[in-house]
Amino acid sequence: SQKIEQNSEALNIQEGKTATLTCNYTNYSPAYLQWYRQDPGRGPVFLLLIRENEKEKRKERLKVTFDTTLKQSLFHITASQPADSATYLCALGREEYGNKLVFGAGTILRVKS
Amino acid sequence: DSGVTQTPKHLITATGQRVTLRCSPRSGDLSVYWYQQSLDQGLQFLIQYYNGEERAKGNILERFSAQQFPDLHSELNLSSLELGDSALYFCASSSDPGFSGVTTDTQYFGPGTRLTVL
Repeated sequence: SQKIEQNSEALNIQEGKTATLTCNYTNYSPAYLQWYRQDPGRGPVFLLLIRENEKEKRKERLKVTFDTTLKQSLFHITASQPADSATYLCALGREEYGNKLVFGAGTILRVKS
Repeated sequence: DSGVTQTPKHLITATGQRVTLRCSPRSGDLSVYWYQQSLDQGLQFLIQYYNGEERAKGNILERFSAQQFPDLHSELNLSSLELGDSALYFCASSSDPGFSGVTTDTQYFGPGTRLTVL
């Protein structure tokens, strides 16, 4: 069955540094990959989508890479701020599967000032 | 605010009972998705409806059922509740019908319903 692995440990970084979160997957060939942010007790909020034919996507301080050979996506937050502290989820999907997203367990990011 | 509403916000009930969770999608969205999030399982896809029809199914238990009504709101029914059903239940919506050839759209999540089974 599909398996998605994200950094199991929480990531603690200093304000102003770049946070890099990892999403690895097996037994799956996603057509696209999405990153979501989730704050405690709230619903996930969509951040970025990257397709299998795209290597990199950027949005303001966010950057996502997608390597289908390594079966890995990296999510970067540059110039991190305490307000970026949250859980970040990666999710994989294929249109043939009805846009059914398969989510990773998430990585907790803590940015300290 | 995502535009997706869910009621109730919290629900406390006993084992063996039946509950109904309600979701109203964003204006204009025809697809509704239901997810379960528990501490040990993460976010798990349950089922998707598009314009009233079931589109995709995940690991949804037979004790659970859902439907989407003509006004596009959706309900998730959970019956014969067990302690292990305690979780956050999220509804999401999108304009994407979710079949091959259509550009994938993002999903907008509601605030969730926290279900506690005692």
